[in-house]
Amino acid sequence: KNEVEQSPQNLTAQEGEFITINCSYSVGISALHWLQQHPGGGIVSLFMLSSGKKKHGRLIATINIQEKHSSLHITASHPRDSAVYICAVIHAGGTSYGKLTFGQGTILTVHP
Amino acid sequence: DGGITQSPKYLFRKEGQNVTLSCEQNLNHDAMYWYRQDPGQGLRLIYYSQIVNDFQKGDIAEGYSVSREKKESFPLTVTSAQKNPTAFYLCASKRLAGSYEQYFGPGTRLTVT
Repeated sequence: KNEVEQSPQNLTAQEGEFITINCSYSVGISALHWLQQHPGGGIVSLFMLSSGKKKHGRLIATINIQEKHSSLHITASHPRDSAVYICAVIHAGGTSYGKLTFGQGTILTVHP
Repeated sequence: DGGITQSPKYLFRKEGQNVTLSCEQNLNHDAMYWYRQDPGQGLRLIYYSQIVNDFQKGDIAEGYSVSREKKESFPLTVTSAQKNPTAFYLCASKRLAGSYEQYFGPGTRLTVT
């Protein structure tokens, strides 16, 4: 079993819909990244969080450390949100301290 | 503007040839990383370096080599020993102290035929 699992793997939505992408992990972490990868391939960081909730524009990220689960929400989705969304955890300790482990990504397509 | 540059964006090579991918950063970050991305899989760590003239193997280092002669530069060589070199390669960097956040370059798509 992968240390980081994302769901769904593929997500199709109509413009305006509320979107949720989930990330579950099985290791102790210091923090969790949500990343966005556009078709050209470059990756940008959307959020890094270690507790609670963060909001930036139409994007909201939450994390529940006890349940080892995080969600990324997109409100009022738009075709320009179409991208791959990647969850990555930062290991908390041991020999993997500071290491990033990535989920396989969620491919989001938003239709007009 | 500060950032990470990778060149070229697309690279084509014949099987059996070594090829070097460039990664340069002007963020004054100490640590640099190379990842490989394959369809349907998460990014996997190839090599990382936390200081000049020092680097460590990641999870899939076989068939790759790196150098870190300057703080700004961390080139990756894909050798002929790498059995499946066709992939998308991403370079990243971060400060060593005070932040977990890694910054990513635009990537290089390598195709070996």
